[in-house]
Amino acid sequence: AQKVTQAQTEISVVEKEDVTLDCVYETRDTTYYLFWYKQPPSGELVFLIRRNSFDEQNEISGRYSWNFQKSTSSFNFTITASQVVDSAVYFCALSDPKNSGNTPLVFGKGTRLSVIA
Amino acid sequence: GAGVSQTPSNKVTEKGKYVELRCDPISGHTALYWYRQSLGQGPEFLIYFQGTGAADDSGLPNDRFFAVRPEGSVSTLKIQRTERGDSAVYLCASSLTGRESDTQYFGPGTRLTVL
Repeated sequence: AQKVTQAQTEISVVEKEDVTLDCVYETRDTTYYLFWYKQPPSGELVFLIRRNSFDEQNEISGRYSWNFQKSTSSFNFTITASQVVDSAVYFCALSDPKNSGNTPLVFGKGTRLSVIA
Repeated sequence: GAGVSQTPSNKVTEKGKYVELRCDPISGHTALYWYRQSLGQGPEFLIYFQGTGAADDSGLPNDRFFAVRPEGSVSTLKIQRTERGDSAVYLCASSLTGRESDTQYFGPGTRLTVL
């Protein structure tokens, strides 16, 4: 069964510091998809990135970057020069394909990031 | 365009009552998912619709929970004889086709409180 572990429950940093959120996953599938979502205090899950298992290139989007390491089953997320608006709960998720054709997401428990001014 | 919308945003009910939660997916998305998020946890899958049919309801916790999507667009999650343990945020998501590669876009959720 698919499993996602986000070992860091809460992280607190001072504004402008870099911070890395860890995500480790378990799957027996050879093809799969990984996602990161942001959940600000308003509660809505905001999609950040999707990565398929065949693409191990790291990705950068502004202050955000993602490091996908298939060898260690990790998909870590780094925020550079953090800002107060980055304060949120961040979720890592893994696709979980089923025989029914359904592909729900399996989520980690999330990491609560607090950026202090 | 408009994202996924959910109503109501908050629902407070008494134990034993019946509730309905509504989800309006992104226009043109055929796949619709319901998830439940308890405090301090990530969302957990409940039920999946492809078009009008419930293709996978394996995540529903028991037979008090039921969902419909009669015209392949709006979906309603129905909970009978609510219990205090049903208190959670109920999230709806939609994706274009339901393929594994599709991104699921989430609504703002309905916070259900059962007193």
